[in-house]
Amino acid sequence: KQEVTQIPAALSVPEGENLVLNCSFTDSAIYNLQWFRQDPGKGLTSLLLIQSSQREQTSGRLNASLDKSSGRSTLYIAASQPGDSATYLCAVSLASGGSYIPTFGRGTSLIVHP
Amino acid sequence: EPEVTQTPSHQVTQMGQEVILRCVPISNHLYFYWYRQILGQKVEFLVSFYNNEISEKSEIFDDQFSVERPDGSNFTLKIRSTKLEDSAMYFCASSFGTPPNSPNFGPGTRLTVT
Repeated sequence: KQEVTQIPAALSVPEGENLVLNCSFTDSAIYNLQWFRQDPGKGLTSLLLIQSSQREQTSGRLNASLDKSSGRSTLYIAASQPGDSATYLCAVSLASGGSYIPTFGRGTSLIVHP
Repeated sequence: EPEVTQTPSHQVTQMGQEVILRCVPISNHLYFYWYRQILGQKVEFLVSFYNNEISEKSEIFDDQFSVERPDGSNFTLKIRSTKLEDSAMYFCASSFGTPPNSPNFGPGTRLTVT
């Protein structure tokens, strides 16, 4: 069974800092890995999707990397802004067993203060 | 861009009552999912549905739960006799492709059981 762990659980930083959020998973036979943003009481906004054959994806100030062999992904947020405050979720889909269903981590709750 | 929609956005029900949560997946998608997120906890997989039948379900998805695709557009989750611990945000998702691409998530329905 895939286990997904996110570290840290919470992070509070001043505006302008560069941030690294970590995601680790136990089964490296993944199909893809996705990072989501969730605002309080709201739905899931997809940020970046990395296929198993890829090493990284970039969108604006966000960069996600994937190292399957070590079972890790990082989400890098450059020049953080107060509007980045949210919970960031990592979800991993396995390729084995024919199940491609995402398993979520508990998330990192981020506060960026002005 | 097409989106997954869910109704209602918030449902309040009394313990023991039946509740039906509704979803309209993206029109050309073939795989459908329900997830739930209890307040403060992680997003958990409930069930996946493909070709008019359940393809996978978690241990959470017991006999109190059922899913249906009553017509060509809707996908529903029924909880037969709600308990206080069913209070959560319920997310519907859909995907296409073989194997399925990463799901598109709906905005969620907040279920409150009193």
